[in-house]
Amino acid sequence: DAKTTQPTSMDCAEGRAANLPCNHSTISGNEYVYWYRQIHSQGPQYIIHGLKNNETNEMASLIITEDRKSSTLILPHATLRDTAVYYCIVPLSSNTGKLIFGQGTTLQVKP
Amino acid sequence: EAGVVQSPRYKIIEKKQPVAFWCNPISGHNTLYWYRQNLGQGPELLIRYENEEAVDDSQLPKDRFSAERLKGVDSTLKIQPAELGDSAVYLCASSLQGLGNIQYFGAGTRLSVL
Repeated sequence: DAKTTQPTSMDCAEGRAANLPCNHSTISGNEYVYWYRQIHSQGPQYIIHGLKNNETNEMASLIITEDRKSSTLILPHATLRDTAVYYCIVPLSSNTGKLIFGQGTTLQVKP
Repeated sequence: EAGVVQSPRYKIIEKKQPVAFWCNPISGHNTLYWYRQNLGQGPELLIRYENEEAVDDSQLPKDRFSAERLKGVDSTLKIQPAELGDSAVYLCASSLQGLGNIQYFGAGTRLSVL
């Protein structure tokens, strides 16, 4: 897997956008970026994934830089329920299911 | 649609005792995973099944851990005998065939070995 680097922790005010960065400078041309989150006492939850174009779904948006060496997960209007650990993952190959979770970013949404 | 179901949610045992965890994946999901998550760390894959076949068990400590997925649906992960260092959360996940990087996780079983 391409190595990913994320900040250990971040804070965000409720109602504001949360922007979570991830560096993946060794990513290769056909590797996707996946984001999961894990709320306390729950299993991880898939959020979104992308290759090179920006992606948006009902949960979040994913912005990938043109050189694909970094990406940002955006939660447009963070709520207290978005407090979680967010994992940025670049699997070795598509759909093998071999996900390597790092330490992730602990996002604390504050009222 | 029901998600991935795991039981029990919590288990406390003494060291050297056996323990088993059960997982029922999402209906129709051929691929099933078992992960272990130590405190403060991300989940680590123990074993992956495609239907009833274990296709990746390279990270499973085979001296004390075993797993099975009879009939390619439910799965059981067993530890015998348990050690203090086995205290962790054991997570089960499932995915559709061909979409292995989009996994659906259960809530996990928190094991405490005393």
